[in-house]
Amino acid sequence: EPEVTQTPSHQVTQMGQEVILRCVPISNHLYFYWYRQILGQKVEFLVSFYNNEISEKSEIFDDQFSVERPDGSNFTLKIRSTKLEDSAMYFCASRTGLGFNEQFFGPGTRLTVL
Amino acid sequence: DQQVKQNSPSLSVQEGRISILNCDYTNSMFDYFLWYKKYPAEGPTFLISISSIKDKNEDGRFTVFLNKSAKHLSLHIVPSQPGDSAVYFCAASRLQYGNKLVFGAGTILRVKS
Repeated sequence: EPEVTQTPSHQVTQMGQEVILRCVPISNHLYFYWYRQILGQKVEFLVSFYNNEISEKSEIFDDQFSVERPDGSNFTLKIRSTKLEDSAMYFCASRTGLGFNEQFFGPGTRLTVL
Repeated sequence: DQQVKQNSPSLSVQEGRISILNCDYTNSMFDYFLWYKKYPAEGPTFLISISSIKDKNEDGRFTVFLNKSAKHLSLHIVPSQPGDSAVYFCAASRLQYGNKLVFGAGTILRVKS
């Protein structure tokens, strides 16, 4: 069964460093998302991406964040200068876009900012 | 952001009995609802969904009920199995171009054998 994959599973970085989180969505999906879950809090939306552009972003997704689909398979989230409060589980999700909104999630990347 | 609420942090059920997980929402513009199951250190797994044009959707042991006037939905699991023990998230969205999921805080379900 096709699934969303994410790498790395765990990333440890120093505050102020840049990180890139990688995702491979399900191959025939058209819409891509990043969510995050800070420990003990809700899963929260960061950004959605369709047709090579951002379709919606939350107030969390400020200038320090960017997304890219550099080729036909990868979808990346970059944080330019990490802060302590960026420590969270980051989930990538994708969906077909055929009229329904079932989003399929990857296993997540645990980002720890020291 | 309290648009989606799951007021029961946890639920404990005996194996073979029914599990009922509840979810309330405040935004009347939501028109598509989903339930996800999550194990520790894994991503949410899609379980079942319902459109606002329906009041019930069933898939095997899982049934979701939607009461639009009360802005309430519930997930019924019958019969409950120990493998169902996980965190269950309710999510709401607007069924349009690229729309985001708004999640509840989750309910920890424990099925005792």
